[in-house]
Amino acid sequence: DAGVTQSPTHLIKTRGQQVTLRCSPKSGHDTVSWYQQALGQGPQFIFQYYEEEERQRGNFPDRFSGHQFPNYSSELNVNALLLGDSALYLCASSMASGPNEKLFFGSGTQLSVL
Amino acid sequence: GQQVMQIPQYQHVQEGEDFTTYCNSSTTLSNIQWYKQRPGGHPVFLIQLVKSGEVKKQKRLTFQFGEAKKNSSLHITATQTTDVGTYFCAGYGNAGNMLTFGGGTRLMVKP
Repeated sequence: DAGVTQSPTHLIKTRGQQVTLRCSPKSGHDTVSWYQQALGQGPQFIFQYYEEEERQRGNFPDRFSGHQFPNYSSELNVNALLLGDSALYLCASSMASGPNEKLFFGSGTQLSVL
Repeated sequence: GQQVMQIPQYQHVQEGEDFTTYCNSSTTLSNIQWYKQRPGGHPVFLIQLVKSGEVKKQKRLTFQFGEAKKNSSLHITATQTTDVGTYFCAGYGNAGNMLTFGGGTRLMVKP
């Protein structure tokens, strides 16, 4: 039973470029949340996808967008990259909805913006 | 918006000493969850507390949820080197599906 898988593991981009990160949820999970974790900080909620719709969004600009596919996998897109976007991007999956669901995290994508 | 704060930010202990981290939310939480992130790793779920005043134990770890459901604590008895990592609390508010994380407490254990 595969857990949450993310790709790529590491990525180096330059300012102004665009990036796409991918996530496959744990088997049986249909909800995907994305988090940004800067070095030494706690994960910051970007948004959550359920039934292919963005269900909730954190305090991130429109440069951050996402998508969920019918197989529940998800993508995070970031446009016009800034140096401050350098961080570990974590994908977490859970069973449908509910505020009592625990999250299963992937190993993350380490994004460096130069 | 909802904010979750943790103290201390860092804690160095000698192996065998106890450790406690405290978590406070700016708003009432529907539940509190705790995660552990090993160096270079990703957060791993430890436990969830739902009821006001709830206390749960996992071996040497004791978790408490405050009566007002706005604060929580994690206490580790007789730390071991395997306890090294960053401990995060995270809470769901009463509206929405956003799990908000605290800044974490990084625990370092000297053998």
